[in-house]
Amino acid sequence: QQPVQSPQAVILREGEDAVINCSSSKALYSVHWYRQKHGEAPVFLMILLKGGEQKGHEKISASFNEKKQQSSLYLTASQLSYSGTYFCGTLYNFNKFYFGSGTKLNVKP
Amino acid sequence: SQTIHQWPATLVQPVGSPLSLECTVEGTSNPNLYWYRQAAGRGLQLLFYSVGIGQISSEVPQNLSASRPQDRQFILSSKKLLLSDSGFYLCAWSVQGQGLNGYTFGSGTRLTVV
Repeated sequence: QQPVQSPQAVILREGEDAVINCSSSKALYSVHWYRQKHGEAPVFLMILLKGGEQKGHEKISASFNEKKQQSSLYLTASQLSYSGTYFCGTLYNFNKFYFGSGTKLNVKP
Repeated sequence: SQTIHQWPATLVQPVGSPLSLECTVEGTSNPNLYWYRQAAGRGLQLLFYSVGIGQISSEVPQNLSASRPQDRQFILSSKKLLLSDSGFYLCAWSVQGQGLNGYTFGSGTRLTVV
């Protein structure tokens, strides 16, 4: 029932770009994105509410394609601090919030 | 500002022993509250959520239970722990509705059942 993310893992050099995808078999009404550093709790990055909406957070942005039931997270000119596991998440009914399978991002010098 | 407290940070318990993890939220009222579990290197599994005092919804049948005795207090319990209960337990809160401000997590409890 949880959203599916791809890829499962990404290795980048500093300055490179990456795209993380999140797709759902059920209709998406909103999409959240979170980043979790090793051993820590996830931290909220952004929420997208409408189809076609795009948002940015530093050099991290996201888009939401409601019709395709997909969202993508774009990391531009990656920095070492971007390393961590990225999760998308969505509400499938009013109060049940499910996280995606996660994408592990490793940025190397 | 709103804060969420979760304790203890680390716990090592023998199989068959009871469990009680506590989570409290400050600076807001009537939050939605959640318990998630994360196995090592895995994703976040929704265990319980609550929209109000005494209102608990369970996602996964298991030997865990949750209670919400006060508006901003959420407790995760077990009468007898299993080895498979080991993991990183996270409490989270959101505003009612679509969680427009996102979900804010406590710092987590790392539980090892031995």
